[in-house]
Amino acid sequence: DVKVTQSSRYLVKRTGEKVFLECVQDMDHENMFWYRQDPGLGLRLIYFSYDVKMKEKGDIPEGYSVSREKKERFSLILESASTNQTSMYLCASSFAGGSNEQYFGPGTRLTVT
Amino acid sequence: GQSLEQPSEVTAVEGAIVQINCTYQTSGFYGLSWYQQHDGGAPTFLSYNALDGLEETGRFSSFLSRSDSYGYLLLQELQMKDSASYFCAVRGNLDFNKFYFGSGTKLNVKP
Repeated sequence: DVKVTQSSRYLVKRTGEKVFLECVQDMDHENMFWYRQDPGLGLRLIYFSYDVKMKEKGDIPEGYSVSREKKERFSLILESASTNQTSMYLCASSFAGGSNEQYFGPGTRLTVT
Repeated sequence: GQSLEQPSEVTAVEGAIVQINCTYQTSGFYGLSWYQQHDGGAPTFLSYNALDGLEETGRFSSFLSRSDSYGYLLLQELQMKDSASYFCAVRGNLDFNKFYFGSGTKLNVKP
């Protein structure tokens, strides 16, 4: 069964802390994505990666960075967390090429106080 | 750039048929997808249309008109478990690996 897992379901951090969100997929997918989801705004793409060590900015990359050292793992890093980064973070993966289906993880609800 | 518009909320009764519309403006186009998300859950893929017309999968159907930049998701024989948010998404032709999502339509199914 296809699976995308995220390291935490809920996370509370303080302003200025460095935050790591981890995502692992077991489907040998080439592409991995990080989105944030806010009420009324839908899913917005932060970063995506199409191969190990490769990354591209999405629509809202400011304040975030990513790391992909292994094909199955994609990390989102908040260098210095701020309250406006309080959100639901969703990781997804997909095959490269013509696949239009993305598989999502359960999400991490991050609260920055 | 990309923008997608869909209604924020729709209410229907159990057993009825409901249509959720999506209009899009994109710099390129490579198909329209639909996802379902229950409260507290992950989005799950429902359907994909690359060409004009209707695609049917059980109680759910999805339609696309590329000339009108418009699509819809049709849910028939509504059940309480269909209460969820539904998102349309497009894949850019120029930035092929990127997906762009609408803001979602919350469907409330009432008894």
